[in-house]
Order: sequence, then structure tokens, then C-alpha cells
Amino acid sequence: AQSVTQPDIHITVSEGASLELRCNYSYGATPYLFWYVQSPGQGLQLLLKYFSGDTLVQGIKGFEAEFKRSQSSFNLRKPSVHWSDAAEYFCAVGALNTGNQFYFGTGTSLTVIP
Amino acid sequence: DSGVTQTPKHLITATGQRVTLRCSPRSGDLSVYWYQQSLDQGLQFLIHYYNGEERAKGNILERFSAQQFPDLHSELNLSSLELGDSALYFCASSVGSGHIYEQYFGPGTRLTVT
Repeated sequence: AQSVTQPDIHITVSEGASLELRCNYSYGATPYLFWYVQSPGQGLQLLLKYFSGDTLVQGIKGFEAEFKRSQSSFNLRKPSVHWSDAAEYFCAVGALNTGNQFYFGTGTSLTVIP
Repeated sequence: DSGVTQTPKHLITATGQRVTLRCSPRSGDLSVYWYQQSLDQGLQFLIHYYNGEERAKGNILERFSAQQFPDLHSELNLSSLELGDSALYFCASSVGSGHIYEQYFGPGTRLTVT
């Protein structure tokens, strides 16, 4: 069955520090992977996606993610965090065999301290 | 702004009542997805419509139903409401079906059942 695990419920980083948010997926076929960000009271905004090809993908707001098939991971990174990055981050896998639905992880809440 | 609109933004109602949530997809998108976000269940896929036809069902209760109209807007109907139905309900849209496409999310409708 398809599933996504985000092991870190909450992460705190200092402004300007680097960030890595972990995501592990379980999916029987080639995964279609996404990272979304949700600010308080807002909907989900797509940060980046991986469908195939280059395993390092670039997204908006300076984020990138690396797909590692051997580790079933799709970790999100940012070299220097800004206070405005404080939000909830969701990893998702798209499942073609179940009507294109997305399976979301439980999210990682990011706090940025000055 | 994702281009997906949802109304109303907030809804407060009593147990046993029925409500209708409305979603308009991005211009040109034919697929609409409904998700429920709650503290205990996280983001759960409910249902997917493509060009007026139901394509997939997820964890949607029998008390809930949805439809997509010829102008492609969609409505999610929730009836016999229970306290546990209190959640954020998101609509997302994508350009097509039959493949995994990125989904663009609306701002959500916060439903409170008292």
C-alpha cells in the first residue's frame, strides 16, 4: 500500500541555517513525489515535484529535494532558511493506480528562530 | 493564489445538519479532488472527479457526496453532520486524469460542527 512517512513532527532552526526535512515513501511502482507548504490559515502551495529524470529537483522559494530510490526517500532541503519559511510542510506521493489520489505524510512543522 | 476558489471560508453548523461546500477549479483544469484535513487523521483524500465523472473514491463516508457540474465547479455535500466531521476541507484541481499531475489547492473551508 502507498504511504508517506515524515519522521519529524516539529523542527526548529535558526534563521540563516540550513534545513533538511525528511520524507520516506512506500509505493510499488515509480513514485510521483511532491512537497507542499501550508502557512497558517492557508491552503497548500506546491514547492516542487519529482516525476522522473534528474534526481535533484529545484523548486520555488529556494527549496530543492533529492530523490533516492535505494532509500525510498525524497528529502527537502534549503541552504539558508528565512523567517518566512516557518510553516507546515507536507510530502506526498501520487498514486496512478488509485485514481491519481495523493497520499500525504503527517507533516513537519517548521519554526524559525531569529 | 493557486486559482482554485472555495466557498465559504468558514462554516459553523450543528450536529445533524447538512452543508454544501463549493469549489471552482483553475481555469482549464478538468479534475477536481476533495481532501479532508483533521488533527487526528491528517490530510485524507475523499473523492476525484474528472470532467463531470467520478474517477476515484477514498475515505469518504456514505453521509458525504460530491458532484462536478458541466461548468466544472464541484460541490461536496456533507449530511447528518457529527462533531467528528469538524475539519478543514480542501479542494484541489489538476489539468487532467489518467496520469499524475500536480494538484493545486484552494484555501479550504473550515467546518465546525457544534
